[in-house]
Amino acid sequence: DSGVTQTPKHLITATGQRVTLRCSPRSGDLSVYWYQQSLDQGLQFLIQYYNGEERAKGNILERFSAQQFPDLHSELNLSSLELGDSALYFCASSVYTGLTTPGELFFGEGSRLTVL
Amino acid sequence: EDQVTQSPEALRLQEGESSSLNCSYTVSGLRGLFWYRQDPGKGPEFLFTLYSAGEEKEKERLKATLTKKESFLHITAPKPEDSATYLCAVLFSGNTPLVFGKGTRLSVIA
Repeated sequence: DSGVTQTPKHLITATGQRVTLRCSPRSGDLSVYWYQQSLDQGLQFLIQYYNGEERAKGNILERFSAQQFPDLHSELNLSSLELGDSALYFCASSVYTGLTTPGELFFGEGSRLTVL
Repeated sequence: EDQVTQSPEALRLQEGESSSLNCSYTVSGLRGLFWYRQDPGKGPEFLFTLYSAGEEKEKERLKATLTKKESFLHITAPKPEDSATYLCAVLFSGNTPLVFGKGTRLSVIA
């Protein structure tokens, strides 16, 4: 158990809909990362938050947004869903202090999104 | 563009048959290379960190090594429980987060 909690574990929805994925980081970790994993693309970095502020952005679509709340949990919002958005969405946390970017991330078990 | 390439995509071994997985990278400044293990339906689990060429790390039947352009994950006398996807990730210069390779799917047959 990594200590990172993601909900829901599975989600099935239709094209055009909007969903919210939730992540609670490990106790004490201030940094949260979101990754998308599909069969053909592997793990793709979406976005990183540190202590409530956006720190880095990857190839995140404009239809996607995220935030980190004062209690450090994070939410990833996916809207106007398309078939191609079907994937595993992972949240990870780390002890990143804001000065350096560590490579040791602790991943949750993911949220599997299926868009029909 | 900084890239991470892993080979082979899939590897099937008999129990006890040692082998190596490769991770190569094109880099504009390597800050660190990391190996993760991912079991089906689970999130990746951190294994090793390597920072400089010549560095080696070991854990049970796994040993990771690093050169200037690639890393190897050596698996000695593997067991079926070593079956998983092994991911390599690189931390490049600047403030960019980890860049992952697509992984090597390892199957160890008893």
